[in-house]
Amino acid sequence: GAGVSQTPSNKVTEKGKYVELRCDPISGHTALYWYRQSLGQGPEFLIYFQGTGAADDSGLPNDRFFAVRPEGSVSTLKIQRTERGDSAVYLCASSLTGGGDTDTQYFGPGTRLTVL
Amino acid sequence: GEDVEQSLFLSVREGDSSVINCTYTDSSSTYLYWYKQEPGAGLQLLTYIFSNMDMKQDQRLTVLLNKKDKHLSLRIADTQTGDSAIYFCAESPRRGSQGNLIFGKGTKLSVKP
Repeated sequence: GAGVSQTPSNKVTEKGKYVELRCDPISGHTALYWYRQSLGQGPEFLIYFQGTGAADDSGLPNDRFFAVRPEGSVSTLKIQRTERGDSAVYLCASSLTGGGDTDTQYFGPGTRLTVL
Repeated sequence: GEDVEQSLFLSVREGDSSVINCTYTDSSSTYLYWYKQEPGAGLQLLTYIFSNMDMKQDQRLTVLLNKKDKHLSLRIADTQTGDSAIYFCAESPRRGSQGNLIFGKGTKLSVKP
């Protein structure tokens, strides 16, 4: 596709449930990033993939959060035992990662997660 | 530590210039970015500046960078109602610009007709 796409656009779940959020990066982009944006805040980094491997997962808040990118394209962010504090917009971004201005990150529309 | 700060609100009249300011802390940042977020939408890249530049102009947008003071600004000329949005400043603290971006909390720009 032309841009980064994310599904679903909205997800409502109950406390304690498991959720998966999907990201399709721009075709050809090798780097993929997940961020979380709480109400009234800027995006906060969660994890960064270079190809299939997680190059930096230092932003994941705890071990309930996990992300995969098995074929180096689509990525899934997985949240176990969801808590009300996990409610936020989860943003995905991708970049070409060729150095210089090709490192610019392009963002998807986000998935709004609401934990009841 | 890494922290990006912005004023939270700015209100201007249509046709005036808007100036949104940002301060950052990591002098190793190679690129600095401005993103725009409209209600219910994702982040749209507006412009960016490489750290060895002082100024970058792109149509109605002018970015000024003062590395000594770690101060970044975005000027929007002839501001229109369609410019109403939240503007985020972001730095890329790692060499080579790979890895996470550090965002400010955003400046909400309101344009009055």
